[in-house]
Amino acid sequence: GAGVSQTPSNKVTEKGKYVELRCDPISGHTALYWYRQSLGQGPEFLIYFQGTGAADDSGLPNDRFFAVRPEGSVSTLKIQRTERGDSAVYLCASSLSVIAGVDTQYFGPGTRLTVL
Amino acid sequence: GQNIDQPTEMTATEGAIVQINCTYQTSGFNGLFWYQQHAGEAPTFLSYNVLDGLEEKGRFSSFLSRSKGYSYLLLKELQMKDSASYLCAAMDSNYQLIWGAGTKLIIKP
Repeated sequence: GAGVSQTPSNKVTEKGKYVELRCDPISGHTALYWYRQSLGQGPEFLIYFQGTGAADDSGLPNDRFFAVRPEGSVSTLKIQRTERGDSAVYLCASSLSVIAGVDTQYFGPGTRLTVL
Repeated sequence: GQNIDQPTEMTATEGAIVQINCTYQTSGFNGLFWYQQHAGEAPTFLSYNVLDGLEEKGRFSSFLSRSKGYSYLLLKELQMKDSASYLCAAMDSNYQLIWGAGTKLIIKP
């Protein structure tokens, strides 16, 4: 079956530009997570959704970052006025449901964002 | 605060056994995950422990001691394809994963 997919796989942009990163979770997974990962580091939590709502957005670094999941499936991470420090791999993961308790998160291949 | 510690890098020989250790401190505890991540790829799930003891799954085993806040991943009969980073993550009371920085495992022939 299909896993988590993310597009684009690579994105190069200029400082100050706006970018959108897309995540398509595993069908039927209600929980969706966004992380970012820098070289040699573990994933850094950004936000997670339970269905359509952002259940925890405490990891978003500032108000330039925003994410939506309008229909409870596909999610878009939006970054305004990008800065060089935003360069990282942005990972998306999904799981059946965090409400049910412990669930394994399954990751997509990531989007490598480079801000010049 | 919440913290995960694991070695930055380890080297082992093909065919040998290696143990990757992880210590954790979290607000509440709902289990310990190990993921494998090859360079440039997504993390993939290896194991989950919530009770004390050893869980064996083929060449890979994972151990947990809740009282010591300690886990290890044991890889046997190492193969070149096992060269990867191994990420330890503890799940806190809010069911959020707290991630370590990963251990880069280098396998030499």
